[in-house]
Amino acid sequence: AQSVTQLDSHVSVSEGTPVLLRCNYSSSYSPSLFWYVQHPNKGLQLLLKYTSAATLVKGINGFEAEFKKSETSFHLTKPSAHMSDAAEYFCVVSDLGSGNTGKLIFGQGTTLQVKP
Amino acid sequence: GAGVSQSPRYKVAKRGQDVALRCDPISGHVSLFWYQQALGQGPEFLTYFQNEAQLDKSGLPSDRFFAERPEGSVSTLKIQRTQQEDSAVYLCASSLPSLRGVLQETQYFGPGTRLLVL
Repeated sequence: AQSVTQLDSHVSVSEGTPVLLRCNYSSSYSPSLFWYVQHPNKGLQLLLKYTSAATLVKGINGFEAEFKKSETSFHLTKPSAHMSDAAEYFCVVSDLGSGNTGKLIFGQGTTLQVKP
Repeated sequence: GAGVSQSPRYKVAKRGQDVALRCDPISGHVSLFWYQQALGQGPEFLTYFQNEAQLDKSGLPSDRFFAERPEGSVSTLKIQRTQQEDSAVYLCASSLPSLRGVLQETQYFGPGTRLLVL
């Protein structure tokens, strides 16, 4: 079965410093992985997705993630945090595979706090 | 273009009351998913439609939960005899059909319906 584990429930950074949100995955086949962001009282927005093309994936708003099969990781990074990045971030794996529908399996989420 | 819309955005129900939550997917999206997000948790899968066919309902927590998509477009999630543990945000997502084992299409989420059962 597919699963993701977000290693930090809460991350706090200062504005202008790098962001690292950690995610490990478990999958019995080549996974499709995503990062979604959820701002308060707003819907989930896709930041980026990995679907077995390039291992370094660039997303919106300066975020990127690197797929590392040997480490079963898909960490999200950004070189310089902005106040508007404060939100809840979800690492997500798809169950797409033989006989499955592509439903998404979410991690527990990481709350990113950005201090001025 | 228009995204996924959901209504109502907020719903307060008395315990035991029936509720109906509506989802309007993006036009042309044949795949439709419902998820439940409890407070402080990540969303969890409830059910999946491809057009009007409900192909997976393994995530529905009890037989009080029922979903339909009769014409392959708008979907309704119905909860009968609501309980306090049903309080959550209910999210709808739509996508083009994913090619099994090959291509995972992006799911686009609506703003959710926040249900509070008193």
